[in-house]
Amino acid sequence: NAGVTQTPKFRVLKTGQSMTLLCAQDMNHEYMYWYRQDPGMGLRLIHYSVGEGTTAKGEVPDGYNVSRLKKQNFLLGLESAAPSQTSVYFCASSQGYGYTFGSGTRLTVV
Amino acid sequence: DAKTTQPTSMDCAEGRAANLPCNHSTISGNEYVYWYRQIHSQGPQYIIHGLKNNETNEMASLIITEDRKSSTLILPHATLRDTAVYYCIVGLMNTGFQKLVFGTGTRLLVSP
Repeated sequence: NAGVTQTPKFRVLKTGQSMTLLCAQDMNHEYMYWYRQDPGMGLRLIHYSVGEGTTAKGEVPDGYNVSRLKKQNFLLGLESAAPSQTSVYFCASSQGYGYTFGSGTRLTVV
Repeated sequence: DAKTTQPTSMDCAEGRAANLPCNHSTISGNEYVYWYRQIHSQGPQYIIHGLKNNETNEMASLIITEDRKSSTLILPHATLRDTAVYYCIVGLMNTGFQKLVFGTGTRLLVSP
């Protein structure tokens, strides 16, 4: 049982480049989330989804887009990466009382 | 959402109980208390949650005061592997969807 899988684990982007982070869960969870974590700060919610085909903005959505075309996948896109988006990105899913998190994607924008 | 206040850091000797406090004085009647932990560089891990009764599972115990304004997470026999950042969060549990707000947590250091 893999749980929540994030790809890639590490990535270096140049300013202005685009990329997509993939989150996949095999627990048939309805709800999925993208968070970012910066040094000295807690996790901040970027976007979330309450079901296949739905997305909603979280606390810090600017500069990101998301899609949930399949229930098991939640994609986070950066259309034009900026140094301020250097962070560790965590995906999570839930169905009930606890989140299950992925192991994170460490993104550096230079 | 109710906010929580936790100490920035705590120390604990290996084998002793670790008691992590959390204040949530503005918690509303239908909000739960959740605890997660994050071991270095990994994704946060769910530990336990409760509404008003004390709870225990294989990882920890959660003690919630009668007025629900504070709680304590207890790791009964801390090990070196329990060194982590512990997050206390309050949130609704509404048909399974939760938009939890993570603060900066308590950094617990377990020493030999």
